[in-house]
Amino acid sequence: QKEVEQNSGPLSVPEGAIASLNCTYSDRVSQSFFWYRQYSGKSPELIMSIYSNGDKEDGRFTAQLNKASQYVSLLIRDSQPSDSATYLCAVMADAGNNRKLIWGLGTSLAVNP
Amino acid sequence: SAVISQKPSRDICQRGTSLTIQCQVDSQVTMMFWYRQQPGQSLTLIATANQGSEATYESGFVIDKFPISRPNLTFSTLTVSNMSPEDSSIYLCSGTGAGGTWAEQFFGPGTRLTVL
Repeated sequence: QKEVEQNSGPLSVPEGAIASLNCTYSDRVSQSFFWYRQYSGKSPELIMSIYSNGDKEDGRFTAQLNKASQYVSLLIRDSQPSDSATYLCAVMADAGNNRKLIWGLGTSLAVNP
Repeated sequence: SAVISQKPSRDICQRGTSLTIQCQVDSQVTMMFWYRQQPGQSLTLIATANQGSEATYESGFVIDKFPISRPNLTFSTLTVSNMSPEDSSIYLCSGTGAGGTWAEQFFGPGTRLTVL
């Protein structure tokens, strides 16, 4: 059973702080990793994708991947109240015809003004 | 990325009836998926919609209950058949792009279904 695990939270950080969201996965052959943001009542929105070990930065967001430890994280710098949402980690194990994503349960983030 | 629209955005249905949800993409996508999301829960994949052939269903989901069509590369439908209150959920359509973004899934706005 392929699994993706996240702390459910809620994770509460003050405005301007760094929010750190973590995700572990069980399938060692996983190739592609994604972070989605989902506001209450809305559909998931892709904010970061990462495919190789190391860091990938996009604005205030940094994704970090460590395949040896089967660990992917998302850092949000200078957190804003508008970042308050549920963050979903998703992992694609098979890069062939089957492009299914395995989803974590999500971490709820609250950024306090 | 492409934009996905879904119709209807919400509906309230009676037990035993069926509802067809439409998913339209504004450009061709390689793969399309249908998900269900209960309030406060993560996403559950129902099936992969295959263009011109039968959908590939996940464990626990069957074609008789959730028939899916995908007649071309930009359109798919999901029917929720013989509904019961347990089918009340948000149903989401997603697609994957082409080229450098082939692995990235983007979502439609969802259809909120309530079964009485």
